[in-house]
Amino acid sequence: DGGITQSPKYLFRKEGQNVTLSCEQNLNHDAMYWYRQDPGQGLRLIYYSQIVNDFQKGDIAEGYSVSREKKESFPLTVTSAQKNPTAFYLCASSPGGTNTGELFFGEGSRLTVL
Amino acid sequence: QQPVQSPQAVILREGEDAVINCSSSKALYSVHWYRQKHGEAPVFLMILLKGGEQKGHEKISASFNEKKQQSSLYLTASQLSYSGTYFCGTERIQGAQKLVFGQGTRLTINP
Repeated sequence: DGGITQSPKYLFRKEGQNVTLSCEQNLNHDAMYWYRQDPGQGLRLIYYSQIVNDFQKGDIAEGYSVSREKKESFPLTVTSAQKNPTAFYLCASSPGGTNTGELFFGEGSRLTVL
Repeated sequence: QQPVQSPQAVILREGEDAVINCSSSKALYSVHWYRQKHGEAPVFLMILLKGGEQKGHEKISASFNEKKQQSSLYLTASQLSYSGTYFCGTERIQGAQKLVFGQGTRLTINP
């Protein structure tokens, strides 16, 4: 079945460590996104990519980095520069093109900084 | 700029109706609606585009007032399965490929 796979589902990290969250899709979608979800704040856009080898900052990109070397993969690195990294991270994809169509979300990765 | 949703939370009995609103201070090209159950990924419900086009599930009803930059999601004859948090996402420019989500509306349906 086609879909988006995020891993790991749960992750614990010590302060000062970088951590990379994986996001893979087999939907042949051009656009991919990373959102952060905190209680009561909805979904906030971290980074997004419309095509391979290109990505743009979202509203809260500071302390995060991404790469888009392959169409199906869009990993997110949470760096030690991110002040409050504990959160639920959601990856999504959409077909792309002239309109933002339906977003397909992964199951999410919950990061806890100890 | 983040759209504002209202109400923040609503509790209904099964069979009752609810309306969830989404407002923006900026002109919009499209409004998207998603529902998220606790611990799960958000699920697409509907897209409303400037000009009146709508795409989504047949059982979901929504409106988009382009003059007021407001959208409303109508949940009629609610079922227990409708429980969850509803998010609107807005797109200001066609082709922006970027959605800004509201803070969410938590809907609880009791038997």
